[in-house]
Amino acid sequence: GAVVSQHPSRVICKSGTSVKIECRSLDFQATTMFWYRQFPKQSLMLMATSNEGSKATYEQGVEKDKFLINHASLTLSTLTVTSAHPEDSSFYICSARTSVSGELFFGEGSRLTVL
Amino acid sequence: QKEVEQNSGPLSVPEGAIASLNCTYSDRGSQSFFWYRQYSGKSPELIMFIYSNGDKEDGRFTAQLNKASQYVSLLIRDSQPSDSATYLCAVRGNNNDMRFGAGTRLTVKP
Repeated sequence: GAVVSQHPSRVICKSGTSVKIECRSLDFQATTMFWYRQFPKQSLMLMATSNEGSKATYEQGVEKDKFLINHASLTLSTLTVTSAHPEDSSFYICSARTSVSGELFFGEGSRLTVL
Repeated sequence: QKEVEQNSGPLSVPEGAIASLNCTYSDRGSQSFFWYRQYSGKSPELIMFIYSNGDKEDGRFTAQLNKASQYVSLLIRDSQPSDSATYLCAVRGNNNDMRFGAGTRLTVKP
């Protein structure tokens, strides 16, 4: 099946710093990627929809200036958590949809810990 | 009302039994429904998808969809300890995004 790679898998940073997470579709082109956040024992919450070559669409309640999303190519989307705070500590997961089948594939996830 | 609702569990079944996982959704116009399995600390992995009313079988898994009742379920036959995980129901929305339920935690006891 299609492969979506996410990096880094784990990151620890100090409060106030910024962290960038990359999501790559390795063997297919993804015009649309999705970013989710998951707190312990909770479901995946859609943060934003990332469209190649255009601005991301953010879900209600998600600060676009804090969670910067860039989808510069058909195989890469990045999420930058700016001025991170401990409450931003979470599991961030990206997903990409194939244009052929419409199936959604998930990256391995990135666990962010803000000290 | 949440868009996708699941019983959080935990659901515990003995090895070899049938595990039944349920999900309801609020958007009557939804057309695509998915079941994902998520192990602790890992990303979800797709088990099955279903688009039409009725049953769809794949190995030990059967997905059932009833659009009139806005209900979708997943049956796992001959449950194995390795099936112990959180099962997420997902519904594809009009914007082609995916909305997830909170997940049901399943434990299969040897």
